[in-house]
Amino acid sequence: GAGVSQTPSNKVTEKGKYVELRCDPISGHTALYWYRQSLGQGPEFLIYFQGTGAADDSGLPNDRFFAVRPEGSVSTLKIQRTERGDSAVYLCASSLLYNEQFFGPGTRLTVL
Amino acid sequence: GDSVTQMEGPVTLSEEAFLTINCTYTATGYPSLFWYVQYPGEGLQLLLKATKADDKGSNKGFEATYRKETTSFHLEKGSVQVSDSAVYFCAQSNSGNTPLVFGKGTRLSVIA
Repeated sequence: GAGVSQTPSNKVTEKGKYVELRCDPISGHTALYWYRQSLGQGPEFLIYFQGTGAADDSGLPNDRFFAVRPEGSVSTLKIQRTERGDSAVYLCASSLLYNEQFFGPGTRLTVL
Repeated sequence: GDSVTQMEGPVTLSEEAFLTINCTYTATGYPSLFWYVQYPGEGLQLLLKATKADDKGSNKGFEATYRKETTSFHLEKGSVQVSDSAVYFCAQSNSGNTPLVFGKGTRLSVIA
């Protein structure tokens, strides 16, 4: 079956611009996670959804970052007023309750 | 807070050599422990896991044993292949659907 998909695969933007990154989880997975992976580092947690609501957003670095999952399936990570330090690979994962997380291929964001 | 420390790479081995990648963790509770692998150009994949002390996870010839007394989960393989070349991440999760906490990753290169 289809895995977790993320679009776009690559995004190049200019400092100060707004970007949206999309995640399509595996059908039926109730939990959805966003992570950020900087070069040479492991993924770092950003936010976790259980259904439509954010169960834990403690990893969001500041209020420029926001994520939604309005219908409990697709999720969008939104970054306002991008900064060069936001450049990273943004990973999405989904899972059934209390089960393995399956990761998408990631979106590589480059802020010039 | 909870954290994972793994040996720094890169690690370069000849084919059929023995592999060990060290991983230790700090946690307030009794976490589940994981090894994820990222092959070149691919997304993160779960390699193996262990959910309680003394459990051994194994997959594709890789093994790791959950050692509570040394707070460790070292990854081993008796005879590596060129196809094992990848980045390996140790991770922990407190319980259920809580987010994963990753180490920084260890790049393994196996040469023929």
